[in-house]
Amino acid sequence: NAGVMQNPRHLVRRRGQEARLRCSPMKGHSHVYWYRQLPEEGLKFMVYLQKENIIDESGMPKERFSAEFPKEGPSILRIQQVVRGDSAAYFCASSPGGGRDTQYFGPGTRLTVL
Amino acid sequence: AQKITQTQPGMFVQEKEAVTLDCTYDTSDPSYGLFWYKQPSSGEMIFLIYQGSYDQQNATEGRYSLNFQKARKSANLVISASQLGDSAMYFCAMRANSGGYQKVTFGIGTKLQVIP
Repeated sequence: NAGVMQNPRHLVRRRGQEARLRCSPMKGHSHVYWYRQLPEEGLKFMVYLQKENIIDESGMPKERFSAEFPKEGPSILRIQQVVRGDSAAYFCASSPGGGRDTQYFGPGTRLTVL
Repeated sequence: AQKITQTQPGMFVQEKEAVTLDCTYDTSDPSYGLFWYKQPSSGEMIFLIYQGSYDQQNATEGRYSLNFQKARKSANLVISASQLGDSAMYFCAMRANSGGYQKVTFGIGTKLQVIP
């Protein structure tokens, strides 16, 4: 029973490039959450998605960031025109439902912007 | 608004001793859940233990127990018989209703170092 999968585990981009982070939820989970962890800080909520729907994107920066969770395939967090301040660990979590279910985390993607 | 406070940036504990990591929370939602996650140096987030606000008994999972004091709004993690592999960051988190669904808020973490 595979857990939450994220790839790539490490991603290096130059300023101005695009970063695409992928998350495959646990089998049977249809709810996905993205969090960002800046160095020496806790996790901060970014966006909550169900299949083909964004439920809450209140934690996502208004510009350059977008997320999707298509009917088929993984959830994608996309960062356009990356800047050095985007360097962080990005974690995806999934749960079977959006109510009181425990969220299980993937291993994270460490983005470094040069 | 939901808030989680972890006031111990770093803790040391002797191997085989017990250690308590503090966590206080604030929410107006009467139905909420409290979690602890472990983040070793490799970076992944590992779920440790969960306590529901209506649970009558404190949660336990092996060497982990959650000292839940509802009136004081605290949810401290107790690790018994510490092992070297327990050295890691520990995050307290709360799930509570926000904007119509259950939202998870994390504390800033406590770095635990187990000394041989």
